[in-house]
Amino acid sequence: GESVGLHLPTLSVQEGDNSIINCAYSNSASDYFIWYKQESGKGPQFIIDIRSNMDKRQGQRVTVLLNKTVKHLSLQIAATQPGDSAVYFCAENIGNQFYFGTGTSLTVIP
Amino acid sequence: NAGVMQNPRHLVRRRGQEARLRCSPMKGHSHVYWYRQLPEEGLKFMVYLQKENIIDESGMPKERFSAEFPKEGPSILRIQQVVRGDSAAYFCASSPPANSREQYFGPGTRLTVT
Repeated sequence: GESVGLHLPTLSVQEGDNSIINCAYSNSASDYFIWYKQESGKGPQFIIDIRSNMDKRQGQRVTVLLNKTVKHLSLQIAATQPGDSAVYFCAENIGNQFYFGTGTSLTVIP
Repeated sequence: NAGVMQNPRHLVRRRGQEARLRCSPMKGHSHVYWYRQLPEEGLKFMVYLQKENIIDESGMPKERFSAEFPKEGPSILRIQQVVRGDSAAYFCASSPPANSREQYFGPGTRLTVT
């Protein structure tokens, strides 16, 4: 099956610092990637997406970088806030299916 | 505009009983995905449906699991003769017809099999 993995299962950052969450994927046929945020007891919430013909996309306080050469995806959160504490998943899209990583738990220290 | 709704939010079933999970997509959305999430794991794709059609059920277990999305009413994920290993959070997501990749998730149903 497909695999989407995360380098670090947990990440702790000081409030105000920048956060970087990494994700590796295995299928070079993946043409679309999404980052989701999941708070405890809730469903995943869309953060930002990127197509495979791009290498960078910016949103509000978030940036996604895609390196197709090494099949690596990262999510950068600027000026991390306590409300950013959650589990972050990357997902790759192949055909009709989305394949999710296991998630990185981000804890923001006030 | 209400988001994706799922009910019940929590469901407890004894082994051998049936579980029925409901998902009402966002208004105007005609695509529904079901996912299963085990503790400390990512979401695993189960099935992709459009109104009255199953588009991709390659992630569904071969037995005991079924899904439907009728012309009227919510999408239903049905698990017959539940076993302890079925205990998980089940999420559905809906997407608009113009962009099936733009998925909006519901709050999930947490199924516990005792």
